[in-house]
Amino acid sequence: EIVLTQSPGTLSLSPGERATLSCRASESVRSNYLAWYQQKSGQAPRLLISGASSRATGIPDRFSGSGSATDFTLTISTLEVEDSAVYYCQQYGSSPLTFGGGTKVEI
Amino acid sequence: EVQLVQSGAEVKKTGESLKISCKGSGYRFTTYWIGWVRQTPGKGLEWMGIIYPGDSDARYSPSFQGQVTLSVDKSTSTAFLQWSNLQASDTAIYYCATTRIVVLNNVVAATSFDIWGQGTMVTVSS
Repeated sequence: EIVLTQSPGTLSLSPGERATLSCRASESVRSNYLAWYQQKSGQAPRLLISGASSRATGIPDRFSGSGSATDFTLTISTLEVEDSAVYYCQQYGSSPLTFGGGTKVEI
Repeated sequence: EVQLVQSGAEVKKTGESLKISCKGSGYRFTTYWIGWVRQTPGKGLEWMGIIYPGDSDARYSPSFQGQVTLSVDKSTSTAFLQWSNLQASDTAIYYCATTRIVVLNNVVAATSFDIWGQGTMVTVSS
């Protein structure tokens, strides 16, 4: 199965700053079938990005995804306090689908 | 608005059985597959399986095959996840979510998980 490694483990930034989160796959993710989720404390995950770069419905454009093959990035262009959460990547290009371990963003 | 509402928290003993539910609303229930995801502090998020409400076609992650059973009741737009012999290691939060499928090397697999339920906390103790 594909192992997804997310870095850094924790990111501490201030409002207005830019956040760059990395997700590295142990092998190439077919067709860039990679998603990103946001999980706030005590809540279910929420889909942000699918297909590596397509924002889900209702997701603000300060969230963007990029990358291909084994290296993917989630960028939050201008952080807001409400963006404090754990962010997970997930690949669905190979079965079984797998999730990364998460990056905690503290603001 | 597409919504999934899950049943409430459960506290069970090892060896007991359990069935938790996930009720869809705001859409035609057969439009999407329903996936189940387990979350634990130690292993994080893990995909368990998916089921198609139209014909109850279920596919399981190898890690969960034989350990759980997925089912649906189309008439009530409800999906279920059940165990027949709970273990302490089943202690976790369980989420249902809508998903679509992709065929990979002739294997049906879930894609991204679009709309999530609020989660059901299951605690199993001896």
